[in-house]
Amino acid sequence: EVQLVQSGAEVKKPGESLKISCKGSGYSFSNYWIAWVRQMPGKGLEWMGIIYPGDSDTRYSPSFQGQVTISADTSISTASLQWSSLKASDTAMYYCARLGGGLDVWGQGTTVTVSS
Amino acid sequence: DIQMTQSPSSLSASVGDRVTITCRASQGISNSLAWYQQKPGKVPKLLIYDASSLQSGVPSRFSGSGSGTDFTLTISSLQPEDVATYYCQKYNSAPWTFGQGTKVEIK
Repeated sequence: EVQLVQSGAEVKKPGESLKISCKGSGYSFSNYWIAWVRQMPGKGLEWMGIIYPGDSDTRYSPSFQGQVTISADTSISTASLQWSSLKASDTAMYYCARLGGGLDVWGQGTTVTVSS
Repeated sequence: DIQMTQSPSSLSASVGDRVTITCRASQGISNSLAWYQQKPGKVPKLLIYDASSLQSGVPSRFSGSGSGTDFTLTISSLQPEDVATYYCQKYNSAPWTFGQGTKVEIK
């Protein structure tokens, strides 16, 4: 079964760093783009960026460029999204998803809560 | 950047009604468009890709059409389980912007 499994919920303080992960299985992880999508509470979907694990080619939405870092490690079939200094406005659900003709496989989501 | 505008932002229809949601791109995107369904508290689900290709396992009452700048998602006969928010997304080039969503309810 093709699936993406994300790391668990996080509660952090403003200014802290964080890295969340997305592990692929059941397919050739290196050969499919992985996207990250943010959904703030009660709001719509926002495309953050995308990475091709095979060569680490990465594209960011202008809204998220410089705010987050997307990476991938093919040896463990895992993509990651990280922040160096969280803000309260980063509180949201974060999804990873595979590009296979649209985003055809989604992770279960990781809730990030940033509060002092 | 190309903007994606969905209309309407919400709609209410009766079971069995034909429902149409529109997505307009500010510039041409060929057929690089997908539609997603997100039920409350759930993970988004791909319905349509390449503007008109039905994702495997999606009921045939869902269909997509369009090319260039104007696209449509149609539910031929609305069912209670179709209550959800629907999003379009372009993917011809980065950024792969989503539309703002259309909330579908049962009247």
